[in-house]
Amino acid sequence: EAGVVQSPRYKIIEKKQPVAFWCNPISGHNTLYWYRQNLGQGPELLIRYENEEAVDDSQLPKDRFSAERLKGVDSTLKIQPAELGDSAVYLCASSVKDSRRTNEQFFGPGTRLTVL
Amino acid sequence: AQSVTQLGSHVSVSEGALVLLRCNYSSSVPPYLFWYVQYPNQGLQLLLKYTSAATLVKGINGFEAEFKKSETSFHLTKPSAHMSDAAEYFCAVSHSGGYQKVTFGTGTKLQVIP
Repeated sequence: EAGVVQSPRYKIIEKKQPVAFWCNPISGHNTLYWYRQNLGQGPELLIRYENEEAVDDSQLPKDRFSAERLKGVDSTLKIQPAELGDSAVYLCASSVKDSRRTNEQFFGPGTRLTVL
Repeated sequence: AQSVTQLGSHVSVSEGALVLLRCNYSSSVPPYLFWYVQYPNQGLQLLLKYTSAATLVKGINGFEAEFKKSETSFHLTKPSAHMSDAAEYFCAVSHSGGYQKVTFGTGTKLQVIP
């Protein structure tokens, strides 16, 4: 089966510019996550979707970040305007509710954002 | 609240030597524990997981980890390191039962010396 797909893989922008990242989860996975991974750190959750509903966005900086998951499949994460501190790798992950409820997440390759 | 602490941000081993990556967790309820591996410019891949069944968990690529409740540890081991094991390894914890937020450690970068 195809894995989690993300694009672009790399993005370099000037500060104050907008940027968007796209994620296509594994088919049939109803839960989608966006994480930010700073250099030398583990991933930190930004937002979690159950189908098209954002059920946990408590860590999403809502003044400049937004996300959507129309139709409960693909998702887009946007930053507007970007700041220098937003330079990081943005990871998308997906999971499916299973009978064992083990919460195993499958990650995409990430988008490495550099803000100049 | 839950957290994991990975001891040692960098670990170097010789090819063929034992790999030991340390992880200690903190959780107020029985946890689920995970080890993920991340190769350069790639996403995280699940190595193994503990979900309250057997305390010794075997994963992919010859890795295994043992859940020790008394020590609140979940160390990752491999008997013989291979050059292809060079990567960054993340320990993670979540509460058991249904969806629970996963908290990742800061990672340990494994270097394998020929």
